[in-house]
Amino acid sequence: KAGVTQTPRYLIKTRGQQVTLSCSPISGHRSVSWYQQTPGQGLQFLFEYFSETQRNKGNFPGRFSGRQFSNSRSEMNVSTLELGDSALYLCASSPGTSGIYNEQFFGPGTRLTVL
Amino acid sequence: QKEVEQDPGPLSVPEGAIVSLNCTYSNSAFQYFMWYRQYSRKGPELLMYTYSSGNKEDGRFTAQVDKSSKYISLFIRDSQPSDSATYLCAMSSRSGAGSYQLTFGKGTKLSVIP
Repeated sequence: KAGVTQTPRYLIKTRGQQVTLSCSPISGHRSVSWYQQTPGQGLQFLFEYFSETQRNKGNFPGRFSGRQFSNSRSEMNVSTLELGDSALYLCASSPGTSGIYNEQFFGPGTRLTVL
Repeated sequence: QKEVEQDPGPLSVPEGAIVSLNCTYSNSAFQYFMWYRQYSRKGPELLMYTYSSGNKEDGRFTAQVDKSSKYISLFIRDSQPSDSATYLCAMSSRSGAGSYQLTFGKGTKLSVIP
């Protein structure tokens, strides 16, 4: 089975711009979660999508948004980029079965640099 | 106080040594406890997970959970240079929406010297 793929792998943007990152989950997985990883804060949960609906959300400003398509692929968008948004953005997929623990499989991440 | 505390290291050990990595947590709602390994420029990969107090062994790796002390550990026996990576503890509790959200420690960077 192919793993989780994320595109692009690297991205350089300037302050004020907006960016869209893409994630393709493992085939058959219906849940996609997004995380931000920085040296100072570590890995922080952004949001989770399941069956095209946001099921869970972390403590990030509204500039961070996402969506999921009917084929379970997901995108996250960051508007009005700030220097502090420079980070590794990780996507994780899981079967998503409600109410039980599902292992999350991570992609390689997208390294975003904001200048 | 952060929900999950993990000593960031770095930790440097000689090949063959026993490595002990630890995390403490404050949220009693955490039900599942995991250890992830992250190599440079890669995403985290799950090493082990457990949901009960006690030990769980998998090859050279042993995960230990003490819910009464809110403390988890990962032991690596006969450490190898290929074990050099960042190790992240993670904990999960059920959200109101029925899914499980992961809360991570900041990670400990381990180097195993040949």
